Amino acid sequence: GQNIDQPTEMTATEGAIVQINCTYQTSGFNGLFWYQQHAGEAPTFLSYNVLDGLEEKGRFSSFLSRSKGYSYLLLKELQMKDSASYLCAASDSNYQLIWGAGTKLIIKP
Amino acid sequence: GAVVSQHPSWVICKSGTSVKIECRSLDFQATTMFWYRQFPKQSLMLMATSNEGSKATYEQGVEKDKFLINHASLTLSTLTVTSAHPEDSSFYICSARLAGTDYNEQFFGPGTRLTVL
Repeated sequence: GQNIDQPTEMTATEGAIVQINCTYQTSGFNGLFWYQQHAGEAPTFLSYNVLDGLEEKGRFSSFLSRSKGYSYLLLKELQMKDSASYLCAASDSNYQLIWGAGTKLIIKP
Repeated sequence: GAVVSQHPSWVICKSGTSVKIECRSLDFQATTMFWYRQFPKQSLMLMATSNEGSKATYEQGVEKDKFLINHASLTLSTLTVTSAHPEDSSFYICSARLAGTDYNEQFFGPGTRLTVL
């Protein structure tokens, strides 16, 4: 079957670095997305990886290993506004997104 | 960038009434739109995939007669919750897929919060 696993909740300190991991199993694979969702709002796109390696975009970076079925989202220089849920989603052979349950990130001062 | 709107942003209705939610892609054509439901502190749950000009494909466990989806044009899809009950209270989010790009990203609307009394 198809499955996405990511931690339920993580806590980090303002100014620090945090890595949110995601493992996936899908029927076919057409890329891995990361979305950010603040409470009561719709998800917003953060990153997309389809090739192995690290994609850097400002304070956020995303990594993919297709052979391991593994991705992570790295957030640097954490700010209070980064407190949100982070959703990992894999695109299967039909380009349908298979969603993880989301990781709630709590930033403490 | 690609913008998706939803209307209304929130609605309160009485049990037994029907509610229609609109999802529009404002600056692009979307051959495929998706409807999600999200309960508090839970992740997105895909309800159905809507293709322009054809019947929607519903996920297992989603009643197609209760959640009517119409995708009449390349920029508009509607979700009608018929005979709504309190357990239908949820956050309903649509997304539209931008076809023809390298990765078929989904762009999300702002969501509609439905409260059924």
